[in-house]
Amino acid sequence: AQKVTQAQTEISVVEKEDVTLDCVYETRDTTYYLFWYKQPPSGELVFLIRRNSFDEQNEISGRYSWNFQKSTSSFNFTITASQVVDSAVYFCALTGGGADGLTFGKGTHLIIQP
Amino acid sequence: DTGVSQDPRHKITKRGQNVTFRCDPISEHNRLYWYRQTLGQGPEFLTYFQNEAQLEKSRLLSDRFSAERPKGSFSTLEIQRTEQGDSAMYLCASSLVVPGGEQFFGPGTRLTVL
Repeated sequence: AQKVTQAQTEISVVEKEDVTLDCVYETRDTTYYLFWYKQPPSGELVFLIRRNSFDEQNEISGRYSWNFQKSTSSFNFTITASQVVDSAVYFCALTGGGADGLTFGKGTHLIIQP
Repeated sequence: DTGVSQDPRHKITKRGQNVTFRCDPISEHNRLYWYRQTLGQGPEFLTYFQNEAQLEKSRLLSDRFSAERPKGSFSTLEIQRTEQGDSAMYLCASSLVVPGGEQFFGPGTRLTVL
């Protein structure tokens, strides 16, 4: 069975601070895919990034960066110089090499205060 | 707009009634997924289709839930004899037929069962 744990239920920071959202996963698959989604107050899930299990290279996209470490089964997400518009619920998700649905964590509610 | 669309966006019904939701995927996407999201939780995978074939349905919550995708384009999710516990957001997503393909989500249908 697959499992995704996002231990941080809610994080509140002041604008311009850096913030890291943690994600720990469990799977028996040797091939798997990890994702991060953003769910703003409007409710629609927005795709942010996809990584496969064979690619541990960290990725940076603007103020966003992701740190994938197979040794600790973690796929953490960092926002640098946070902005109020980053306020949302962020979900980490996992799927195996087949075409099954995503297993989501419970999400981290990020609040960026002005 | 060529994203995933869902109809209706909101549905209020009385306990015991049947409801049906529609999802139109991104046109070139062959895979279509249904999820349920309750308050404070991540989306929960229900079922998925590849073209018109329903390849996974063991995760449907009960035999009151069924889904169809008769022509491999739009899909419907039906809940029969609704219960108050069915109140949730029902999300649809679509993806290409690639391993671990990123899933793009629609805005969801919020169901309230009175």
